[in-house]
Order: sequence, then structure tokens, then C-alpha cells
Amino acid sequence: SQQGEEDPQALSIQEGENATMNCSYKTSINNLQWYRQNSGRGLVHLILIRSNEREKHSGRLRVTLDTSKKSSSLLITASRAADTASYFCATDAKETSGSRLTFGEGTQLTVNP
Amino acid sequence: EAGVTQSPTHLIKTRGQQATLRCSPISGHTSVYWYQQALGLGLQFLLWYDEGEERNRGNFPPRFSGRQFPNYSSELNVNALELEDSALYLCASSLAMLRGTHTEAFFGQGTRLTVV
Repeated sequence: SQQGEEDPQALSIQEGENATMNCSYKTSINNLQWYRQNSGRGLVHLILIRSNEREKHSGRLRVTLDTSKKSSSLLITASRAADTASYFCATDAKETSGSRLTFGEGTQLTVNP
Repeated sequence: EAGVTQSPTHLIKTRGQQATLRCSPISGHTSVYWYQQALGLGLQFLLWYDEGEERNRGNFPPRFSGRQFPNYSSELNVNALELEDSALYLCASSLAMLRGTHTEAFFGQGTRLTVV
């Protein structure tokens, strides 16, 4: 089963608007991380939130974590065309199959100038 | 400081052949992860190495294997290549686990493997 699932799969907004992406997961986690990927390239780490944290900020990014609902959201404020990319959540999950960093399918964000 | 480097950047093989992909982690990082990303899809976990040992592997057949060397660099080998193995293979490294948790992972630019 998919540990991290982002929604929406695709999001298109205008420059200056806020973008919100959600991630749901199934098992208990140690932490949840958000990454960004520009087309066909490596991923870049954005932010890590631990299971005992509820909210974290980094520049224009705001991440929330609700462990009771097993969900997280990534908010990008005042979006720019350069924010166009795919965004992935990754969970450090306490799985019976062993420790691993598991990624979701991603949200493709397009910011139109 | 050099980031995670992967080689080659592109690799074209024919069905049935073997492919070897290489990864050099950031200096000081002991954990190396391998992921497969088919076109337009998410990352599928392949392997995790730490301190020279395979710590976990994903749901891939045994023809996907690898190793980590004493200098923490890593190799991914794919035997008996199939057309559906065509994908971007991403390597990431991180510092040793902190209190049993995975820390921030730094990714290389990937190796684009095409099987024809």
C-alpha cells in the first residue's frame, strides 16, 4: 500500500497566489519530509517535521502535521513561476517491513506568470 | 562541498544485459538510498545501505542488487534487464540515523537508464 499519497495530483495557480498540497499516510511515523523536484532531476529537501511537532515554517513554506489524521500539508505563500515543480512528501515510517524513507506520488505544481 | 554524484548520467542497454550504476555520497554521509522513478511517477524505494550493510530493500526482484564500499560510495546492479526497467534511478545520501530516524536526504541528479 502507498505510504505517502499527495493530493491534488496536479495544481495550477497564478503567480502571487498560495498553493496548498496535502499528504496522507497510513502508519506511525518518526518524521515527515517534503521535497521538490524540477523536471527529471534530483530532489531537493525542503523541510522536515518531526512527529511531535505540529507546524513548521521556512521562508515562504509552512508545513503542518496532524498525526491523529495521519496527514500533512505544505503551503507555499506568494507563489512564483520558479516554484513550478513536483512536490513530494516522504515518511520515515515505523513499518513492519523495516525502516525506510518512503515517497508519495507527488503533486505537480504549475505557477503561471 | 561536492554534492551527491551519480554516474553515468545516461545509460542505454539492450534487454537481457546488465547495468551498473554508481553513486558517491556527500563526504561524511554514511547512508545511501536508491530509488527508481518511472517517467512521470513517484519514487519507488529500492535499497538502503548504511555503514557498508544493506539495511532494507524494497519490493524488487533479486536481479536488483547493490553494495556499499568502505568509502561509503555505492553501486546498483540490475541484471537481465527488462524493458520496464527503463527509468530514472536516483541515489541519495544522508548522515547516520539520528536516534533511529532518517534525516534529510540529499539527492544526486540521477542516471537515466533506457532499455531497448
